[in-house]
Amino acid sequence: DQQVKQNSPSLSVQEGRISILNCDYTNSMFDYFLWYKKYPAEGPTFLISISSIKDKNEDGRFTVFLNKSAKHLSLHIVPSQPGDSAVYFCAARNYGGSQGNLIFGKGTKLSVKP
Amino acid sequence: NAGVMQNPRHLVRRRGQEARLRCSPMKGHSHVYWYRQLPEEGLKFMVYLQKENIIDESGMPKERFSAEFPKEGPSILRIQQVVRGDSAAYFCASSPNPDSTNYGYTFGSGTRLTVV
Repeated sequence: DQQVKQNSPSLSVQEGRISILNCDYTNSMFDYFLWYKKYPAEGPTFLISISSIKDKNEDGRFTVFLNKSAKHLSLHIVPSQPGDSAVYFCAARNYGGSQGNLIFGKGTKLSVKP
Repeated sequence: NAGVMQNPRHLVRRRGQEARLRCSPMKGHSHVYWYRQLPEEGLKFMVYLQKENIIDESGMPKERFSAEFPKEGPSILRIQQVVRGDSAAYFCASSPNPDSTNYGYTFGSGTRLTVV
């Protein structure tokens, strides 16, 4: 039973355009959502997070939007760069669960073409 | 200012052997988390430890797997009598305090375990 779903296994975008990565979740008790980027043979690198009490958080080229009623969040990357090519994981923390117990989606592989 | 250090990077074990995976957290971090990633899957939480304490082991298989984080030295994830299904990438993360959602948990590069 997947509580965090990333339904698109891959996404291809032209350099300079916007990349939109989507994530759906089922558990209304999630209180924090995080996005990680992962290159092959490396560990995940934290990108940005958002609290469930907010609907938007922005950091440079990265913006995360949260729609609680739809149980949906998205990561926008503008403008996309070839170095952004990686696998992006959406993760959620369960309120009341132990800190650091994150539930990850399966990831979306982003390819940014020059 | 080294990040989270995991070793070995690659580990090959025959079925029935023991695997020991090590994780040294970032300097100043006293909270350690182990995750496992099976092929084509996301990361799955295994265990959360503080120095000398297991805080949450809800993701650990009931048998053959154990973890420790002693007062001195790295955290160890130990898998006894490995089976082919244990083949995966094992990632360790650390944080200075348990609520690190604003800046994320810092992950190491992982140990890729192959059971032959």
